[in-house]
Amino acid sequence: SAVISQKPSRDICQRGTSLTIQCQVDSQVTMMFWYRQQPGQSLTLIATANQGSEATYESGFVIDKFPISRPNLTFSTLTVSNMSPEDSSIYLCSVTGQGSTDTQYFGPGTRLTVL
Amino acid sequence: GENVEQHPSTLSVQEGDSAVIKCTYSDSASNYFPWYKQELGKRPQLIIDIRSNVGEKKDQRIAVTLNKTAKHFSLHITETQPEDSAVYFCAAGSSNYQLIWGAGTKLIIKP
Repeated sequence: SAVISQKPSRDICQRGTSLTIQCQVDSQVTMMFWYRQQPGQSLTLIATANQGSEATYESGFVIDKFPISRPNLTFSTLTVSNMSPEDSSIYLCSVTGQGSTDTQYFGPGTRLTVL
Repeated sequence: GENVEQHPSTLSVQEGDSAVIKCTYSDSASNYFPWYKQELGKRPQLIIDIRSNVGEKKDQRIAVTLNKTAKHFSLHITETQPEDSAVYFCAAGSSNYQLIWGAGTKLIIKP
């Protein structure tokens, strides 16, 4: 399966600032997704990152708050904008491989704390 | 909306015994059912998956069964070991490539 990396692995940010999280894959992938996971909770899909076009957001998530880019088939970014303590969470990217469009593999995650 | 219910939320079993986690899905178009294991502080990792044209799949101590009529699928772990302790998530997928996730089951293996 693909090797997926995320940067940063963790960060502590001040309220009102923004953080951009990067997801890099070592091979071209079909789909890329961004999730949020609160401690002890399940995974919540934020959006599907579409290559060369605007991301598809899930209910409750908007582009102004979580802008996403996907300039090519191996890289995506998620920005958490105008952060508040409620944004403190783990953010995970996932990808599906070239041979499959349904099996998802996850990056190591970014642990974000907003003070 | 579509959802996946997962039970139990916590499961404690004696080392060496079997563990069973059950999920029920609502979307009849679901055709892909993966199971993920997430250890504390780690990413979710795929441990086994099944597609709707198969009723059962095994991989060493792990098996998954699917009952399409009843819309439920289960994870079976036999001869449990301490390293099986983790949170397990089920999910259901359909043709739009997205997964609907269960709430998770914390599996505790007692020595």
